[in-house]
Amino acid sequence: NAGVTQTPKFQVLKTGQSMTLQCAQDMNHNSMYWYRQDPGMGLRLIYYSASEGTTDKGEVPNGYNVSRLNKREFSLRLESAAPSQTSVYFCASSDQTGGSYGYTFGSGTRLTVV
Amino acid sequence: QQPVQSPQAVILREGEDAVINCSSSKALYSVHWYRQKHGEAPVFLMILLKGGEQKGHEKISASFNEKKQQSSLYLTASQLSYSGTYFCGLSGNTPLVFGKGTRLSVIA
Repeated sequence: NAGVTQTPKFQVLKTGQSMTLQCAQDMNHNSMYWYRQDPGMGLRLIYYSASEGTTDKGEVPNGYNVSRLNKREFSLRLESAAPSQTSVYFCASSDQTGGSYGYTFGSGTRLTVV
Repeated sequence: QQPVQSPQAVILREGEDAVINCSSSKALYSVHWYRQKHGEAPVFLMILLKGGEQKGHEKISASFNEKKQQSSLYLTASQLSYSGTYFCGLSGNTPLVFGKGTRLSVIA
């Protein structure tokens, strides 16, 4: 099925460990995003890529880095995980940043940092 | 500038109607609405564009008041499947900024 694929679905890290969350879309979308979702906070933007070759910070970028590997793939890296990064992470994509046809979200990665 | 959604939560019986509001302190370019069921990803419902064009879901409607900088989502004759958390997202041709959500529970 066409859509956004995220891996892994679940992860437990120890404080200080690093990891990369992977995201790929097969809809030929130009724009891709990483959001985090915490209880009662809604979805907050970490980083985004308006088009292949560009990345920009969102509302909560500290502690994260991203790579737009090609048009399909957009990865999120935690260099030194902290308990405050315990969250559900969603990758999303759209035709353009304004998303005239809506955003398509992946199924999410549930990350726990202990 | 996160949009403000109201109410925070609502409980309905099947067949009842509900309205969810989304307000912004900034001028609106477009408003998106999404529904998220527990443990799942948000799913796009509809978009309202400046100028009044609406694209999206056929069984749920919405309005967009540019002067009041407010959008409202209307769910009529609610079904059990409407349960979930509804988010509005605002865009000024920039990435969406989402509200904190409205939890809707439909009971039999």
